[in-house]
Amino acid sequence: QSALTQPASVSGSPGQSITISCTGTSSDVGGYNFVSWYQQHPGKAPKFIIYDVSNRPSGVSNRFSGSKSGNTASLTISGLQAEDEADYYCSSYTSSSTLVVFGGGTKLTVL
Amino acid sequence: EVQLVQSGAEVKKPGESLKISCKGSGYSFTSYWIGWVRQMPGKGLEWMGIIYPGDSDTRYSPSFQGQVTISADKSIGTAFLQWSSLKASDTAMYYCVRHQAIQYYFDYWGQGTLVTVSS
Repeated sequence: QSALTQPASVSGSPGQSITISCTGTSSDVGGYNFVSWYQQHPGKAPKFIIYDVSNRPSGVSNRFSGSKSGNTASLTISGLQAEDEADYYCSSYTSSSTLVVFGGGTKLTVL
Repeated sequence: EVQLVQSGAEVKKPGESLKISCKGSGYSFTSYWIGWVRQMPGKGLEWMGIIYPGDSDTRYSPSFQGQVTISADKSIGTAFLQWSSLKASDTAMYYCVRHQAIQYYFDYWGQGTLVTVSS
């Protein structure tokens, strides 16, 4: 069981927007703005797409955006494209001895 | 260009030892933490621990403390993950990552090293 809770799967049609949630506690997501998101295509290493809740690294499409409300962070992908089909993971700093926790991952299917 | 290049896939038997590597280039190796992330077959990501190559300060997730050893050799810009006695449950893909210390995110990832432990 992962420390952060994500939906197992989400889907959307090309051009639509989808949102993936990531729910933690006040010891991690809710207590710090240190939430990051990663995209992983099958057989590939994860790729860093969001940091500090809502910041995009250089080179990441502005179709990806992040936000947070309380203990839940969210990743929104707008203008869905076939290439967005992948697994997405959230991560957060935690004040527990674990230091870093991941979500269980969400499989995005572009219909 | 920042790169983390990991050593190749390994096939081992239970009880054997193993040390895999991650060579950093394109940045100051001693100025950034390096971490390790496990991904078991068909499963999610798990944070294992980090090391600061500048002074070898090391932190482990409680789940991995005592199960693995993280080390680094700054003279060759390489971090290591090692096991003294492998178990079948260690079968997984292992990624090294460049770890941003303050915000705890991973901005660069190695290509992964697949470790298979089977009798």
